[in-house]
Amino acid sequence: DILMTQSPDSLAVSLGERATINCKSSQSLLYSSNNKNYLGWYQQKPGQPPKVLIYWASTRETGVPDRFSGSGSGTNFTLTINSLQAEDVAVYFCQQYFGTPLTFGQGTNVEIK
Amino acid sequence: QVHLQESGPGLVKPSGTLSLTCAVSGDSITSSNWWTWVRQSPGKGPEWIGEIYHTGAANYNPSLQSRVTISVDKSRSEFSLKMTSVTAADTAVYYCARNIVVVVAASVSRVRTRLDPWGPGTRVAVSS
Repeated sequence: DILMTQSPDSLAVSLGERATINCKSSQSLLYSSNNKNYLGWYQQKPGQPPKVLIYWASTRETGVPDRFSGSGSGTNFTLTINSLQAEDVAVYFCQQYFGTPLTFGQGTNVEIK
Repeated sequence: QVHLQESGPGLVKPSGTLSLTCAVSGDSITSSNWWTWVRQSPGKGPEWIGEIYHTGAANYNPSLQSRVTISVDKSRSEFSLKMTSVTAADTAVYYCARNIVVVVAASVSRVRTRLDPWGPGTRVAVSS
């Protein structure tokens, strides 16, 4: 299985400031045939299912605010939330779809400082 | 708008069988997408259980494969999960989700890219 490790486990950021979440995979998620990274990011609010924010490591899902951005390649990836809003308080997960079983990171809890 | 809804018992006895169904609306279950089961224990990341295509082709998490069967009922636009020999470790919120397939021209491949949408989830407890 591909192991996904996120850091930090928890993050407190002031409103309007930037939040940065890191995700490292145990093997490269870059598929050489199409030069795409098979990595997604999800947001989960309490009592709700996860919601996809980003796929292909940096493609924003339709309707996701542009303050959310994804970057990285190979084994190291980052989710950045620019100008944190109160509604962004949630747990964020990275997930690989390079191989089965699909695997998720352990999650990063983002709070307001 | 695509909508998924899980249903099934919220309590299963140890060594029993967990059975859940996911009703799909707003998308054809015979589309090019795959249909997925995921579970999540409190405070943990989601765990992929497995997936099914409308042809009946299925893939499972090796850690659960010996106990899990996923099936599809095209006439009812539903897919189902059966998990046998459950223990307390199987207590979790169970979600169904659509895995969206994208054709990638550069590699002439069809890639399952993201789980969207998810059902609201159903909590299953394993207890006597």
